[in-house]
Amino acid sequence: QKEVEQNSGPLSVPEGAIASLNCTYSDRGSQSFFWYRQYSGKSPELIMFIYSNGDKEDGRFTAQLNKASQYVSLLIRDSQPSDSATYLCAVKNTDKLIFGTGTRLQVFP
Amino acid sequence: SAVISQKPSRDICQRGTSLTIQCQVDSQVTMMFWYRQQPGQSLTLIATANQGSEATYESGFVIDKFPISRPNLTFSTLTVSNMSPEDSSIYLCSAGTSPDNEQFFGPGTRLTVL
Repeated sequence: QKEVEQNSGPLSVPEGAIASLNCTYSDRGSQSFFWYRQYSGKSPELIMFIYSNGDKEDGRFTAQLNKASQYVSLLIRDSQPSDSATYLCAVKNTDKLIFGTGTRLQVFP
Repeated sequence: SAVISQKPSRDICQRGTSLTIQCQVDSQVTMMFWYRQQPGQSLTLIATANQGSEATYESGFVIDKFPISRPNLTFSTLTVSNMSPEDSSIYLCSAGTSPDNEQFFGPGTRLTVL
């Protein structure tokens, strides 16, 4: 079983819709959870991180964490074509970030 | 957030040679890491760069192939030694201010080995 799993996609949503990106992890000792956005040919850019169960909102982005289910998600409201990118889920246990394979999001006009 | 720069941004190298990649952070950071991202793949951690001591390597990566230095809190180098075409990849430096906090990435070095 992979440590961090994501659906590779592509996930296609129309402009203005909510995009929902999901991630599961295997290590129950994981302490913090991160979402990165990576445009083609660019390095990962941190969007949000979450430590506690529940929701954390930042602008159009909401991260959701459920440690009992070992599940973390990212919601993007009012999706824009500029949101089209690969979204990487990363999980930290001690000091190392372990990345999922990423979900490719396509937002079409 | 930390601003991270890397040099070179890209290089094309011959088989059997070595390339050293430099990573500079604009502020003192506790943690520095080196990742590899092969085409179409996610990020794989190569090693944690430890200040003033030997790096901590992940399974599948060894010091003879990927020697790493970190002489101070803001600078690290990764050398890719005795390169083969399989080493063609993007190499990314990452840094964070503490083990619990967020990590940021440099722009990456795109390496092509012929």
